[in-house]
Amino acid sequence: NAGVTQTPKFQVLKTGQSMTLQCAQDMNHNSMYWYRQDPGMGLRLIYYSASEGTTDKGEVPNGYNVSRLNKREFSLRLESAAPSQTSVYFCASSEPRARYEQYFGPGTRLTVT
Amino acid sequence: GENVEQHPSTLSVQEGDSAVIKCTYSDSASNYFPWYKQELGKRPQLIIDIRSNVGEKKDQRIAVTLNKTAKHFSLHITETQPEDSAVYFCAASETPKGAQKLVFGQGTRLTINP
Repeated sequence: NAGVTQTPKFQVLKTGQSMTLQCAQDMNHNSMYWYRQDPGMGLRLIYYSASEGTTDKGEVPNGYNVSRLNKREFSLRLESAAPSQTSVYFCASSEPRARYEQYFGPGTRLTVT
Repeated sequence: GENVEQHPSTLSVQEGDSAVIKCTYSDSASNYFPWYKQELGKRPQLIIDIRSNVGEKKDQRIAVTLNKTAKHFSLHITETQPEDSAVYFCAASETPKGAQKLVFGQGTRLTINP
């Protein structure tokens, strides 16, 4: 049982490049989330998916898009990366009907130069 | 929307002493308050949570208290140990009907000095 997995672990992009961060969970959770973590600012919700086929904006969605590919997978896309998107990105999943805990992936450290 | 403030940003205590971290929230509709621990380079993990129908919850050396009237909640760690050194985050949300939109505090870096 791998829990929540993310790829890649590290990535360096140049300004204007695009990339997709991948996330998968094997816990049969309905809800999935993308956060970014910046020093001194805690974790901020970018987008979330309450269930397969639905996605919604969180606190800081600008510059990002998401796809809930199926129940297991939830990807985050940066279409034109900017230095302000340098951050650590965490994916998480939960099953609100069972318990409220969110399970986090190991994170992706992204640097945009 | 919800705003969560967390204090202090850094906290250093002697091993064996107690540590207290405090959070305030703004949205009276919030009724679920978890605490996450993040060790250096690792993912956040839930350590304890409380819902608004109780005022206090304990789990061994960790306790959380909630004052809904004042809109603040606190994490208490007693008999601190070196492995308690980490960054701690509080969060708040409404009881999730679907997805759970947590709003996190800024984090507290706790250092336990031997």
